[in-house]
Amino acid sequence: GAVVSQHPSRVICKSGTSVKIECRSLDFQATTMFWYRQFPKQSLMLMATSNEGSKATYEQGVEKDKFLINHASLTLSTLTVTSAHPEDSSFYICSVISGGSYNEQFFGPGTRLTVL
Amino acid sequence: DAKTTQPTSMDCAEGRAANLPCNHSTISGNEYVYWYRQIHSQGPQYIIHGLKNNETNEMASLIITEDRKSSTLILPHATLRDTAVYYCIVRVVRVKAAGNKLTFGGGTRVLVKP
Repeated sequence: GAVVSQHPSRVICKSGTSVKIECRSLDFQATTMFWYRQFPKQSLMLMATSNEGSKATYEQGVEKDKFLINHASLTLSTLTVTSAHPEDSSFYICSVISGGSYNEQFFGPGTRLTVL
Repeated sequence: DAKTTQPTSMDCAEGRAANLPCNHSTISGNEYVYWYRQIHSQGPQYIIHGLKNNETNEMASLIITEDRKSSTLILPHATLRDTAVYYCIVRVVRVKAAGNKLTFGGGTRVLVKP
């Protein structure tokens, strides 16, 4: 399957600052990537669909101005959490669609964000 | 995509087969059954998927009932490294990539014990 990396794996920041998380597809060109968020002891929740060359599509209830997504190339999507607050502390996971017959989805290792 | 129901948690003995059930009674004819697992503090990992027939790969076997309203994921020889949350997801495979987003339920928290 596709190999997906995320950077950083862990980040701690102060309230009010912005944090950028990178998602890279290392061996596959992905026109579509997804961003999920996972709070402790909860399941993954889809935040947005990242589309190369166009605007991201956000799920209901996700603020597009707070969670900025830029799909700069076929191998890189970035999620910027702007003016982060403690309630944004979460595990952020990206995934890529591999194409092929089943449009399989492969996930990155995740980024743990802690906002103090 | 159809909803799935899984037990919240289950314990398994190391070295024994682990059978993880999933109910998807409202599954439609073109929906596939997918299984992913998530080891603590990692991203989900694809395990296996199937439509009607039973499937097997190097990780697990998937048994789908004839009416397709339920399925069972079988880990043939559970190891301590198989401790994870296992998600059963039903979805239609869509041609447009963006249409293939996944909806995760609560999953089954599997603890493999020595």
